[in-house]
Amino acid sequence: KAGVTQTPRYLIKTRGQQVTLSCSPISGHRSVSWYQQTPGQGLQFLFEYFSETQRNKGNFPGRFSGRQFSNSRSEMNVSTLELGDSALYLCASSRGQLNTGELFFGEGSRLTVL
Amino acid sequence: GENVEQHPSTLSVQEGDSAVIKCTYSDSASNYFPWYKQELGKGPQLIIDIRSNVGEKKDQRIAVTLNKTAKHFSLHITETQPEDSAVYFCAASSGNTPLVFGKGTRLSVIA
Repeated sequence: KAGVTQTPRYLIKTRGQQVTLSCSPISGHRSVSWYQQTPGQGLQFLFEYFSETQRNKGNFPGRFSGRQFSNSRSEMNVSTLELGDSALYLCASSRGQLNTGELFFGEGSRLTVL
Repeated sequence: GENVEQHPSTLSVQEGDSAVIKCTYSDSASNYFPWYKQELGKGPQLIIDIRSNVGEKKDQRIAVTLNKTAKHFSLHITETQPEDSAVYFCAASSGNTPLVFGKGTRLSVIA
């Protein structure tokens, strides 16, 4: 059974640009969550989607947005990139909504903003 | 909202010794407490979890204890091995809210 797939794995952008990250959950999983991981702050929750609806949103500015498609695949977008957006962005899928069980994480997309 | 504090941030132990990582949480409504292990270059992976209706759970060399009165929970790894070296994260949730993670503990097992 394939795990959570995130693309791209690595990318470099410059300040002011925008970026789109993609996440394909485990087959049959309907919930997708996104986390930002930085050395100083650990894992910080960005948002969660279930059946194409955003269920929860973390404390991030409006430059961070996401969506989920009918096949449960999800994308997140960051506009007007800032240096502080450099981080590992992790996607996780689960069978049910909210925190009813195990989160299965992908290997992440490492974003560097120059 | 929930706040999870995790200590220590780094931990070095000799192979075969035990390792203990401690977390405290702030929201008394939290009832689900998982622990995740993240190896270099990989995403976090669930290693054990506990719900608030039990005080302790064990899985081979790994155990988790929960004290709801004091709002803290701990991860215990016995007979540590080099492959236990990784970053460990605790987390807490009430079930209606997203998981809130601690900032992680980098465990090094010295052979």
